[in-house]
Amino acid sequence: DVLMTQTPVSLPVSLGGQVSISCRSSQSLVHSDGNTYLHWYLQKPGQSPQLLIYRVSNRFSGVPDRFSGSGSGTDFTLKISRVEPEDLGVYYCLQSTHFPDTFGAGTKLELK
Amino acid sequence: EVQLVESGGGLVQPGRSLKLSCAASGFTFSNYGMAWVRQAPTKGLEWVATISYDGSSTYYRDSVKGRFTISRDNAKSTLYLQMDSLRSEDTATYYCALHGYYPFAYWGQGTLVTVSS
Repeated sequence: DVLMTQTPVSLPVSLGGQVSISCRSSQSLVHSDGNTYLHWYLQKPGQSPQLLIYRVSNRFSGVPDRFSGSGSGTDFTLKISRVEPEDLGVYYCLQSTHFPDTFGAGTKLELK
Repeated sequence: EVQLVESGGGLVQPGRSLKLSCAASGFTFSNYGMAWVRQAPTKGLEWVATISYDGSSTYYRDSVKGRFTISRDNAKSTLYLQMDSLRSEDTATYYCALHGYYPFAYWGQGTLVTVSS
C-alpha cells in the first residue's frame, strides 16, 4: 500500500495566521490517466470528515479560498491563510491513485 | 441537501456478525458510487470498501476481504455493510460516504461498532 506521511503531527497556530501541512507519498501519485489523485480533508472535533481539496488543488464546493493545495509527484502541501476558529481540527491527506486508497495519519491544527 | 444516516452499530462478540445500513437522501443515489470508511477510537481514517453506482463492482481492503460485504438497494436509497467473523481490530466508527468524481465528498455521522467479549 502507498504510505502517506503527514508532517507535522501537531501544528499550533494563532488566529489570523498562516500554516502549511505537508503530505508525502511513498510513490508517485501521477495516475496513468495523467491526473494526480491527492485530496485533503478536515475533521473538526466531534464531527465527520469533510472534503476540502480534491486532485491536489481544486477546492470543493463551499470551501473558502483561504485553503489552497499544491504539489506534484510525491510531495504535496495544504496551506491555510488567515486561520479562523472553525479551521481547527485534524487534517488528512488521501491518495486514490493506487489501490487501495490510503490516508495520512493526520495533522492536528490547534490554537497556540 | 445530501444526507447520509448510518445505523446498525453496537457491541458484538468476536466471531459474530453485524449489518450496517446507510440511508441516503438529497441526491440521486443510483447515480453515485458509495463507500465505507472507518476510524478506530482516537485513530486515523481507513478505507474499507467501495461499490459502484449500480452495484456491479465492489472493492475491499485486504483485511476485510472475505468477511465483509458491501451492497446497495437503489430502490431504497440505502447502502449496506454486512460484517461477518468480526475481530477486535474491526472496532471503529464506520462512516458511509458518497464516492464518485469527488472522492468521499459527503459523509454520514458514523456508527460505532465495538467488537469485544
